[in-house]
Amino acid sequence: DAGVIQSPRHEVTEMGQEVTLRCKPISGHNSLFWYRQTMMRGLELLIYFNNNVPIDDSGMPEDRFSAKMPNASFSTLKIQPSEPRDSAVYFCASTQTRTGYNQPQHFGDGTRLSIL
Amino acid sequence: GNSVTQMEGPVTLSEEAFLTINCTYTATGYPSLFWYVQYPGEGLQLLLKATKADDKGSNKGFEATYRKETTSFHLEKGSVQVSDSAVYFCALSWDSGYALNFGKGTSLLVTP
Repeated sequence: DAGVIQSPRHEVTEMGQEVTLRCKPISGHNSLFWYRQTMMRGLELLIYFNNNVPIDDSGMPEDRFSAKMPNASFSTLKIQPSEPRDSAVYFCASTQTRTGYNQPQHFGDGTRLSIL
Repeated sequence: GNSVTQMEGPVTLSEEAFLTINCTYTATGYPSLFWYVQYPGEGLQLLLKATKADDKGSNKGFEATYRKETTSFHLEKGSVQVSDSAVYFCALSWDSGYALNFGKGTSLLVTP
């Protein structure tokens, strides 16, 4: 079975440019999560969706960040304009939500983002 | 709020040594608890989980028991291998539709 697929795996761009990260969750999963990993702050939740609807975006750092999930098989995380402090590894994870039954989250391999 | 505290790393062990990585949590109620492992250049993989008090999760020789009295979920392995070198994350969540609260991660290096 295909796991969570993220693209690109690596992105290097200059400050001020727009960056778009992509995620394809596992088929049949109805919850999708975006996390950011840095040395200083560890793993932080940015936003998560349930049935394509954003449920909690309180972790999105500021208005420069936006996320969409137009359908059950695709999500994007966009940073515009990008800044050097956005450099991190961004992970997407998905799971199947069923009330009272705790399924683990499955993670993609991440996108390593470097903003120069 | 909910939080997870892990022991600071890095932890360096010789092959076949006993491993313990401490994890304690703060939460109102009884969340589900997880250990995830991250190998270099990869995403996180679920290692084991426990969904209620006194449950023991186990996988690949690793074990952890959900202790509500001490709000802990320590990870143990009796004999580590070089291939166990990775970063280990303790995490909690309330249901599969909720995000995970992660600890900072503990880096483990096993030497031959």
